[in-house]
Amino acid sequence: SQQGEEDPQALSIQEGENATMNCSYKTSINNLQWYRQNSGRGLVHLILIRSNEREKHSGRLRVTLDTSKKSSSLLITASRAADTASYFCATEPYNNNDMRFGAGTRLTVKP
Amino acid sequence: DAEITQSPRHKITETGRQVTLACHQTWNHNNMFWYRQDLGHGLRLIHYSYGVQDTNKGEVSDGYSVSRSNTEDLPLTLESAASSQTSVYFCASSDRASGRTEQFFGPGTRLTVL
Repeated sequence: SQQGEEDPQALSIQEGENATMNCSYKTSINNLQWYRQNSGRGLVHLILIRSNEREKHSGRLRVTLDTSKKSSSLLITASRAADTASYFCATEPYNNNDMRFGAGTRLTVKP
Repeated sequence: DAEITQSPRHKITETGRQVTLACHQTWNHNNMFWYRQDLGHGLRLIHYSYGVQDTNKGEVSDGYSVSRSNTEDLPLTLESAASSQTSVYFCASSDRASGRTEQFFGPGTRLTVL
């Protein structure tokens, strides 16, 4: 079964706006990761946040993690048309190394 | 540059046939994974391996098998293909030795079972 569930399923914004995607999960985790998938391609790792971290930044990406609510958010600031892709959260459960992926958020950034 | 490749990229087969999808990585990673991706389900783990001669079942392993005879390759075999196995298959690897768990993905194989 899926561990992470993203919200919303689809998001459409204008270039320059910020995009926020959310992920909820069910069990205790070692870390949570966000991946990006362009149409017809494999997934590409974006950022990892450990269970003892609350916020992490990488370029225009900001990830937060709230372990008490079992949720995470990915913020993409000043979005570009090239950010159009599907974004997946993946959780590494506390007691094993198998990552579980959500169904993804499809982001469309209009020029 | 190190990479992970999959072949074939597209495959059409018939119900009941045995099919093998290849995955080859030059990262020298210990961990390798096979996922399937279907609309509305995200990625689901089929099988994984933490090293040579090690294989483990994932969430949706029925009808699939893997073998790990060297570090670089983890072929995925569909013993008797079924229409329900029509999907996009992704191979991935990660470097457990470094303690880093982010996975590197191949480009995918689109399999159609008629």
